[in-house]
Amino acid sequence: NAGVTQTPKFQVLKTGQSMTLQCAQDMNHEYMSWYRQDPGMGLRLIHYSVGAGITDQGEVPNGYNVSRSTTEDFPLRLLSAAPSQTSVYFCASRKNYNEQFFGPGTRLTVL
Amino acid sequence: GQQLNQSPQSMFIQEGEDVSMNCTSSSIFNTWLWYKQDPGEGPVLLIALYKAGELTSNGRLTAQFGTTRKDSFLNISASIPSDVGIYFCAGVYGQNFVFGPGTRLSVLP
Repeated sequence: NAGVTQTPKFQVLKTGQSMTLQCAQDMNHEYMSWYRQDPGMGLRLIHYSVGAGITDQGEVPNGYNVSRSTTEDFPLRLLSAAPSQTSVYFCASRKNYNEQFFGPGTRLTVL
Repeated sequence: GQQLNQSPQSMFIQEGEDVSMNCTSSSIFNTWLWYKQDPGEGPVLLIALYKAGELTSNGRLTAQFGTTRKDSFLNISASIPSDVGIYFCAGVYGQNFVFGPGTRLSVLP
């Protein structure tokens, strides 16, 4: 199993540009989530999904969209990038309520 | 919203020393998780705790679920250079995961 994979690993955007961060898992997990990690702060939940076709907002959803057309994939879209979205983004998946597994992260800089 | 506090924020220790860190909250959780994050990588699950008072080990790591369900502790014995990284706690209640800000561990040879 590859676990949770994310692409790209690094990305630089200009303010106003849009892009999609890719996330895939091969563990047949129902639950998938997107987090952002900023210095000195815990991981903050952006959006999550409890299964294909079902998504919901987390703690910091503004400026981001998600969709879940398959169990395996959960892309995160930045609609119009802003400097405040400079962060490290982690995708995670889990089978049950507890043990959540993370991808390697995407490091995004918005100029 | 719910918040977790981790202490210490950072620590420098000598190789071979034991390490203790903790995670506290004003809220009750049903599960406590401990993760380690290496530079440039995603968090990796180390230990999961499911019951108040539970003590669980994973090699040189030992974690405890506090009896009040509002805290958890992680100990690392006989530290080695590869223990360097950031250790995160996470409290779980229902489908809600709350993460602490992390304890940054540096191991001096």
